[in-house]
Amino acid sequence: GAVVSQHPSWVICKSGTSVKIECRSLDFQATTMFWYRQFPKQSLMLMATSNEGSKATYEQGVEKDKFLINHASLTLSTLTVTSAHPEDSSFYICSVTQVTYNEQFFGPGTRLTVL
Amino acid sequence: DQQVKQNSPSLSVQEGRISILNCDYTNSMFDYFLWYKKYPAEGPTFLISISSIKDKNEDGRFTVFLNKSAKHLSLHIVPSQPGDSAVYFCAASGIDYGQNFVFGPGTRLSVLP
Repeated sequence: GAVVSQHPSWVICKSGTSVKIECRSLDFQATTMFWYRQFPKQSLMLMATSNEGSKATYEQGVEKDKFLINHASLTLSTLTVTSAHPEDSSFYICSVTQVTYNEQFFGPGTRLTVL
Repeated sequence: DQQVKQNSPSLSVQEGRISILNCDYTNSMFDYFLWYKKYPAEGPTFLISISSIKDKNEDGRFTVFLNKSAKHLSLHIVPSQPGDSAVYFCAASGIDYGQNFVFGPGTRLSVLP
């Protein structure tokens, strides 16, 4: 399987600031990356799907101007939470896959706390 | 409406006994199913999968059973160990979903020593 890292693992920021979360696929050419968020005691909710070199596809209800996703290479995708507010506090998880794979490989997650 | 359901939010089992986690789905187009295990503050890790052409898949202590007519699958863990305590997510995919998976809400398993 793929080894996926996320940075930072935990970030605390003030309301109104922007936060960037990186997702790196260390040994795997990730043609597709997914971003999920998980609220406490709830399931993983898909936010967006990004294919390398093209614009991300956002799920219904996810604001694309607020959650900026960039998938610039086969090993890196970034999620920027712009003008973060306390309700954006959550656990954000990325996953990677390839066309021929039936499985997604998940990163360790990033806990965002907005004060 | 939830397409993948895990009706038991939590389950407690004695160490050494069998743990059975259930998952139901509504979309008959789903043809591939996975179970993920998740510890707090960590990303999910893959456990086991099953394709709709099979009704059982086994990997060590973990066995997944699929009943297509009932749109039901279950994960059996035998014997259960304290380290198995985690949240277990059932996920489903199909042609209409590309490489994306629809996740169930999860079941928190506690294995008591």
